[in-house]
Amino acid sequence: DTGVSQNPRHKITKRGQNVTFRCDPISEHNRLYWYRQTLGQGPEFLTYFQNEAQLEKSRLLSDRFSAERPKGSFSTLEIQRTEQGDSAMYLCASSQERLAHNEQFFGPGTRLTVL
Amino acid sequence: AQTVTQSQPEMSVQEAETVTLSCTYDTSENNYYLFWYKQPPSRQMILVIRQEAYKQQNATENRFSVNFQKAAKSFSLKISDSQLGDTAMYFCAFMKPKAAGNKLTFGGGTRVLVKP
Repeated sequence: DTGVSQNPRHKITKRGQNVTFRCDPISEHNRLYWYRQTLGQGPEFLTYFQNEAQLEKSRLLSDRFSAERPKGSFSTLEIQRTEQGDSAMYLCASSQERLAHNEQFFGPGTRLTVL
Repeated sequence: AQTVTQSQPEMSVQEAETVTLSCTYDTSENNYYLFWYKQPPSRQMILVIRQEAYKQQNATENRFSVNFQKAAKSFSLKISDSQLGDTAMYFCAFMKPKAAGNKLTFGGGTRVLVKP
């Protein structure tokens, strides 16, 4: 297993366009998290899934954001009608609740630039 | 809500020397975990060290050790014998078990530059 992967690694879009990111977690991990990291800041929690169920969403996740994990494996994060303030690194992490301390393993992130 | 504060935006250290990064947090919880994560330039974040709040003994991982002061809500990271590969952003993070599937609350980060 090569760890958590995210695609694309970089995305440049124009304001008002929709974008979708994909995260593939470590295969035996049942928990999947999305975080957003703006330049020079620490990551902020957006949402998390246990298997296919989305169990919590942050207030940061406006109505323009939607996340899915249809089969409890990979996840997608869609941003509709992008705004310049959406420019950030979007990080995905996964964990297995039976692992010691629920350690989260992070992917390399998708850097979004909204022009 | 929990908050995590890292008061040092940037620190530099000579190779082979020691550097200490500070982290304070605010919580009313008694049971929680604290972490230090490393984010090298253009690479993914990896766990450096963790501390369970119920353990009095400070965690150590090779050249990395923490000074956990629960009453003061302080959690500093010491990097000994610094190496060039330690150059990275370091984030302190807090986790309350069972909350939102163990989501992490991060501080703003400290950039560490190891000079040859």
